[in-house]
Amino acid sequence: QVQLQQWGAGLLKPSEALSLTCAVYGGSFNDYFWSWIRQPPGKGLEWIGKINHSGRTIYNPSLKTRVTISVDTSRNQVSLKLSSVTAADTAVYYCARPSSSSSSDAFDLWGQGTMVTVSS
Amino acid sequence: DIVMTQSPDSLAVSLGERATINCKSSQSVLYSSDNKNYLAWYQQKPGQPPKLLIYWASTRESGVPDRFSGGGSGTDFTLTISSVQAEDVAVYYCQQDYGTPCTFGQGTKLEIK
Repeated sequence: QVQLQQWGAGLLKPSEALSLTCAVYGGSFNDYFWSWIRQPPGKGLEWIGKINHSGRTIYNPSLKTRVTISVDTSRNQVSLKLSSVTAADTAVYYCARPSSSSSSDAFDLWGQGTMVTVSS
Repeated sequence: DIVMTQSPDSLAVSLGERATINCKSSQSVLYSSDNKNYLAWYQQKPGQPPKLLIYWASTRESGVPDRFSGGGSGTDFTLTISSVQAEDVAVYYCQQDYGTPCTFGQGTKLEIK
């Protein structure tokens, strides 16, 4: 059974960089693009970007200038870095995998989520 | 970006009654090459990540109860719960993955009346 486990710093000051990692246990790592998605408290979902095993990335244009997603295929891990954070970046951050049943980005597997708070 | 708009923002339904949630996209999410609508529905309970219910607008994810059904095409979609159960209390989101970036609706909160 495939599982996604996330970790990273939960409290940041404004202007610092957010750094999160998502490890994929079980299943095929190379068959998917792995996405990051965030959810501010009490609000909706925003897709941040995705990466595949060869390092090809696609970012949300709204965050593109501050986002870097990377991959470590030796450890089956993907990482998210978001620079120059502000209070508006306070959110639960999820890694997610698209459904293998559909040729689309409908996400059927999610990490547990990491709450990141930006506060001075 | 394709804007997804859900209605209503919240609804209260009696146990065993039908619930219908609407989702409208700012442009068509029907992909002509495969005639599929790239529209998914999720259920999110407090403190949990979203759970995929339906993709391609009407295909139920494995293990999802058949009281959940999706319909619609082009720009207008619905999620129907035929007989609401207590465990269905949650926020429901639609998502389009026709265009990049994929985008989500603002959510609809389902409560029991």
